Amino acid sequence: DSGVTQTPKHLITATGQRVTLRCSPRSGDLSVYWYQQSLDQGLQFLIQYYNGEERAKGNILERFSAQQFPDLHSELNLSSLELGDSALYFCASSPRAYNEQFFGPGTRLTVL
Amino acid sequence: GIQVEQSPPDLILQEGANSTLRCNFSDSVNNLQWFHQNPWGQLINLFYIPSGTKQNGRLSATTVATERYSLLYISSSQTTDSGVYFCAGTKAAGNKLTFGGGTRVLVKP
Repeated sequence: DSGVTQTPKHLITATGQRVTLRCSPRSGDLSVYWYQQSLDQGLQFLIQYYNGEERAKGNILERFSAQQFPDLHSELNLSSLELGDSALYFCASSPRAYNEQFFGPGTRLTVL
Repeated sequence: GIQVEQSPPDLILQEGANSTLRCNFSDSVNNLQWFHQNPWGQLINLFYIPSGTKQNGRLSATTVATERYSLLYISSSQTTDSGVYFCAGTKAAGNKLTFGGGTRVLVKP
């Protein structure tokens, strides 16, 4: 157990819908990262937050957005969902901005 | 961004065998990490190894930063070692992990 928690574990929804994935970092970690794992793209970095502020952005679609709250938990919002958004979404955390990252168990999203 | 290449892509082992997995980077990296993704999809941290050698039980890893590669050694493999092994790194002073394509390992009893 890495200490990073993610909810829900599984999510099944329809095209066009909006979902919110939640992540709680390890105790004391200030940085949260989101990654997407799909069959065709592999594991890809989406976005990073550090102590409430956006720190780095990767291949994140405009339909996706994220935020980190004052208690340091983070949410990833996915809207206007498409079939291709079906993937495993991981959250990771680290103590500062450039340390070893620890991954949560992931949320498996299926868009039908 | 950096490119990460892992080899071999697939590995089938008999229980008890030893193996070496390789990870090559196109540029200098720090925050180099090895992960094991188990059949349930969980990504488990194996090593944080920007340089040097580390050992943890039957697993060990070596990173030669100047030559931009890292090796993961599995000794006396067990069926529970099956899964996909990923290496990932960040560019110097960077923060996003770039992952390799993984090595899929199957250990047969």
